[in-house]
Amino acid sequence: EVHLVESGGGLVQPGRSLRLSCTASRFRFDDYVMHWVRQAPGKGLEWVSVISWNYGSIAYADSVKGRFTISRDNAKNSLYLQMNNLTTEDTAFYYCAREARSGAVFDLWGQGTLVTVSS
Amino acid sequence: SYDLTQPPSVSVTPGQTASIPCFGDKVGEKYVSWYQQKPGRSPVLIIHQDDKRPSGIPERFSGSNSGNTATLTISGAQALDEADYYCQAWDTTAVFGGGTKLTVL
Repeated sequence: EVHLVESGGGLVQPGRSLRLSCTASRFRFDDYVMHWVRQAPGKGLEWVSVISWNYGSIAYADSVKGRFTISRDNAKNSLYLQMNNLTTEDTAFYYCAREARSGAVFDLWGQGTLVTVSS
Repeated sequence: SYDLTQPPSVSVTPGQTASIPCFGDKVGEKYVSWYQQKPGRSPVLIIHQDDKRPSGIPERFSGSNSGNTATLTISGAQALDEADYYCQAWDTTAVFGGGTKLTVL
């Protein structure tokens, strides 16, 4: 069965950094565009960032632009999100999500990793 | 920026039909997807390209999209359909609706 597994979440103080990872299994990772989507506790889904299979296209939500960096290592079937200068508003579950080959839809989600920004 | 608006909650009697709207400017000109999320779980894709069901999604789930409204319809709602439902479309980036909590009672 295809899987995405996130890791790296935890409790961090405001202004500090954290790096999330997402490992893919049982599908050809480098065939897919990958995204990060977050969800504050009790709130809705918010798209965060996207990276194409070959780094040719990268984009960020305005709320994280300049602070977050998305990257991937296709040899390791892994997606990353480097988060700097974190604020309490970044507290959320962070999901990695696969964009379907047909585009325009997230067809596979990880289980999420919780990032809590608090002093 | 592009916005999608959903009602916060919808209620339905078991066995009846539930409709969850998703409002957006000319959303009918975009493809809309729908995700189901149960408490403590990740979202699951249930409708894509307005009205297509992925493999394994029950036939009671259907979608439509026209004008300024996309709609998720659950025919013969069951207790296990209680969940949050999110619509999603693309502008320059992915956009999600605020989510609708479906209560089956």
